[in-house]
Amino acid sequence: DTGVSQNPRHKITKRGQNVTFRCDPISEHNRLYWYRQTLGQGPEFLTYFQNEAQLEKSRLLSDRFSAERPKGSFSTLEIQRTEQGDSAMYLCATRGSGANVLTFGAGSRLTVL
Amino acid sequence: AQTVTQSQPEMSVQEAETVTLSCTYDTSESDYYLFWYKQPPSRQMILVIRQEAYKQQNATENRFSVNFQKAAKSFSLKISDSQLGDAAMYFCAYRSMDSNYQLIWGAGTKLIIKP
Repeated sequence: DTGVSQNPRHKITKRGQNVTFRCDPISEHNRLYWYRQTLGQGPEFLTYFQNEAQLEKSRLLSDRFSAERPKGSFSTLEIQRTEQGDSAMYLCATRGSGANVLTFGAGSRLTVL
Repeated sequence: AQTVTQSQPEMSVQEAETVTLSCTYDTSESDYYLFWYKQPPSRQMILVIRQEAYKQQNATENRFSVNFQKAAKSFSLKISDSQLGDAAMYFCAYRSMDSNYQLIWGAGTKLIIKP
């Protein structure tokens, strides 16, 4: 599979628990983006990595959210002490240097009870 | 700040007919990119078509074409010969030239294809 892979596809958790999502990019793509998409809305930018460096973070990314991309390959997005308002689809997208098109993964849907 | 507006929450079209999805945006920039993405149910976001603002010619990709009106800040998507596989959410998105690819998205239009 040469696409962007996201796991798990669906996570149901209780309020207050921690969750972690993983994104495996296309191997030659060094730029990686996380977006959040709530029902009936377009995606909202969360954060951006170039290789292992996290270059931009949205104000939406509260201190309960942390993203990493060790070694510039896969990335993880962790949400601590989840709240019902965190329920959303978390999308990962990647692109290569000089490319003008993002390739999206299928997303990880979070449901917080 | 830039904004993108899709005023049609839902559209329906008969199979094989033509449908146009609307998108307007607000920006003070003169150069930027505009995109239409398709998101089928439970599947990933896929690029349909893109337009560079400096190009006057409207982009076309097979059955998909855009009507880009820069002065009016309008970017509509026309789908010709609609097919059942075209059923999806369609999102319009804006990107500044210097944004590190932070796309600004509209709320989407759900397209229903009637067989």
